Amino acid sequence: GAGVSQTPSNKVTEKGKYVELRCDPISGHTALYWYRQSLGQGPEFLIYFQGTGAADDSGLPNDRFFAVRPEGSVSTLKIQRTERGDSAVYLCASSPRLAGGQGTQYFGPGTRLTVL
Amino acid sequence: DQQVKQNSPSLSVQEGRISILNCDYTNSMFDYFLWYKKYPAEGPTFLISISSIKDKNEDGRFTVFLNKSAKHLSLHIVPSQPGDSAVYFCAARPSGSARQLTFGSGTQLTVLP
Repeated sequence: GAGVSQTPSNKVTEKGKYVELRCDPISGHTALYWYRQSLGQGPEFLIYFQGTGAADDSGLPNDRFFAVRPEGSVSTLKIQRTERGDSAVYLCASSPRLAGGQGTQYFGPGTRLTVL
Repeated sequence: DQQVKQNSPSLSVQEGRISILNCDYTNSMFDYFLWYKKYPAEGPTFLISISSIKDKNEDGRFTVFLNKSAKHLSLHIVPSQPGDSAVYFCAARPSGSARQLTFGSGTQLTVLP
C-alpha cells in the first residue's frame, strides 16, 4: 500500500516569497502532523490535524506559517514571506485512530526547503 | 530546553556485536516512547515503541528498555548488521489528548563489516 507522500521533494525559493508544501497521508488515517527538521536536529512538531480541524497548532513558529486540511485528507503547509531561517526539511506524518487514542505516526520522505 | 536528549551524536559498532543507543527525558508527563530509524533522503521509519507501564519490549533483534525512575531508555540491537547503519531518533509522547512527538537530536549508528 502507498505510504505518506510529500511534494515537492525539493523546493528552492528566494527570501520573501510564498511557498506551499503538500502532504498526502496514508488512506484512512484521520490524524496528520507536520514537523520541521533542521540540520543536526530531530524533527520538531509544528501542527496536528484530527480530521479537517487543527487540533493543536502550538508548534507553528509565527503567523507566517499556516496549514490547512479542508477535506480531512490532503494537507498543505503554507509559508508566507519566507526567511533564510525557514530552510529545513518539512516532514509530514499520519496515524490511524485507535480505540485507546492515536496510533503510530508514519512519516513521509519530507520536502527540503531552501530559502536563498 | 531539550525534553528528550540523545547525548551521543555517533556510535560505531562491529558487525555481529551489540549496539546500545541511549536516550534521556525530563518531562514526567511522557508516557509512550518510540524509536525511529532514518536513512538519508528518507523520512523517519518507525522501529519499536514502549508504554510507560512496561520496562521492556522486544521485536526480533531490537529491544527497548525503559527505566522510569531514571527517565532513561535505551535501544539494543543484537546482532548488529551493516544495514542497521542509520540515524536513530528517540521520541516521546505525553499522556492526554496531545499526541505530538518530541524527538531527540539523533544518534548516527555505523555498523562496520
